Amino acid sequence: AQTVTQSQPEMSVQEAETVTLSCTYDTSESDYYLFWYKQPPSRQMILVIRQEAYKQQNATENRFSVNFQKAAKSFSLKISDSQLGDAAMYFCAYWGSSNTGKLIFGQGTTLQVKP
Amino acid sequence: DSGVTQTPKHLITATGQRVTLRCSPRSGDLSVYWYQQSLDQGLQFLIQYYNGEERAKGNILERFSAQQFPDLHSELNLSSLELGDSALYFCASSVDWQETQYFGPGTRLLVL
Repeated sequence: AQTVTQSQPEMSVQEAETVTLSCTYDTSESDYYLFWYKQPPSRQMILVIRQEAYKQQNATENRFSVNFQKAAKSFSLKISDSQLGDAAMYFCAYWGSSNTGKLIFGQGTTLQVKP
Repeated sequence: DSGVTQTPKHLITATGQRVTLRCSPRSGDLSVYWYQQSLDQGLQFLIQYYNGEERAKGNILERFSAQQFPDLHSELNLSSLELGDSALYFCASSVDWQETQYFGPGTRLLVL
C-alpha cells in the first residue's frame, strides 16, 4: 500500500524568507502524481502545485516550487518570499494509477509566518 | 473559489440521527469524491463516483452511503450518528478519475 509521510508537524518562517516543507512517500507504482494542498484557517483545501512522476522537471507555480527526487521518493515544497497569507496547514498527497482516483494524504505540516 | 459547492456549511445534530450532505461539482467534472477530516484520523478517502456510478470505496462505514445523481451532484448520507462521526466532510471533483481534484469548502458536522 502507498503511504505519505510528512515528518515536520510544525514549521515557522520569517516573512519574506524561504521555507521548505518535506514529504516522503512509498510506492511501487511507476505512474503517479504528487500534490501539495494548502488548508488555511478557513479549512478550505486549496491546490498549490502538482507534479507528474514521469516529468523530470520540477513543477513551479509563482513563489511555490517543488524538489521532486523520484529515486529517493521525496517531494518537498519550497515557498519563496513567504507572506503572512501563506500561514496554513500544508498537506502532501499522492495519487497512483492503481488507486482509482483516491488521494492519499500525509499528516500535514502547520506553517507559521512571523512578521 | 474552486467551483465545488457543498451544503450545509455547518451541521449540529444528536447521536442516532441521520443527515445528508450535498455536493455540486465544478461544471464539466464527472467525478466526485468524498473525504472525511478528523483530528485523530487525518484526511481519509470515503468514496468516489464517476458519471453516476460508484468507482471506488475507501474507509467508509456501513452506516454511511452516497450517490451521484444524473445532474452529477452527489449526496453523502450518514445515519445512526455517533460522537466519533464529528468531522469535516469534504467533497472534491475532477474532470475524470485521473485528473486533479478540486475541493469544496467542506461541511462541518458536530454530533452531540
